Amino acid sequence: DVKVTQSSRYLVKRTGEKVFLECVQDMDHENMFWYRQDPGLGLRLIYFSYDVKMKEKGDIPEGYSVSREKKERFSLILESASTNQTSMYLCASSLSGGNYEQYFGPGTRLTVT
Amino acid sequence: RKEVEQDPGPFNVPEGATVAFNCTYSNSASQSFFWYRQDCRKEPKLLMSVYSSGNEDGRFTAQLNRASQYISLLIRDSKLSDSATYLCVVNIRKHTPVFGKGTRLSVIA
Repeated sequence: DVKVTQSSRYLVKRTGEKVFLECVQDMDHENMFWYRQDPGLGLRLIYFSYDVKMKEKGDIPEGYSVSREKKERFSLILESASTNQTSMYLCASSLSGGNYEQYFGPGTRLTVT
Repeated sequence: RKEVEQDPGPFNVPEGATVAFNCTYSNSASQSFFWYRQDCRKEPKLLMSVYSSGNEDGRFTAQLNRASQYISLLIRDSKLSDSATYLCVVNIRKHTPVFGKGTRLSVIA
């Protein structure tokens, strides 16, 4: 059974803190993605990676960075958390080629106070 | 025109009803298409892929109309457990799927 796990289900951080969100997949997928989901705005792509150490900006990369040192792990970093980064963060993975379905982790609900 | 558009709903239907959702996409070079289901406070999960010839899985039927650039999802004999948000996904660029904002379905007893 395919599995994508995220390090935390709920997280509360203070403004200005550095925040790390971790995602691990056990399917040997090449592609990994970070999204945020907000009411009325749907899923928005922050960053994606199509190979180890490779990354590309999505639609809303500002205020975020990513790291992919190993194929199975993709980290999202908020360098200095702000209240407008309060959101649900979803990680996903897929095979390469662009025509394959994505598998999602359970999500991390981040609150920045 | 947005890349992928869906009617947000909500669609409120009685149990046993048939309901259909459409999703339009703007890029004629789109390559692959999917329907996902997302329950409240849960992650999206693949419901079904959408093939050029259409496909059916039990009570669910998905179709693709390339000429008019839309995909559809038909749910027959709706169950209470079908209540969820249905997201359409279109793969336009090689690596990055584009999600619609979802259509909310509420099946009422």
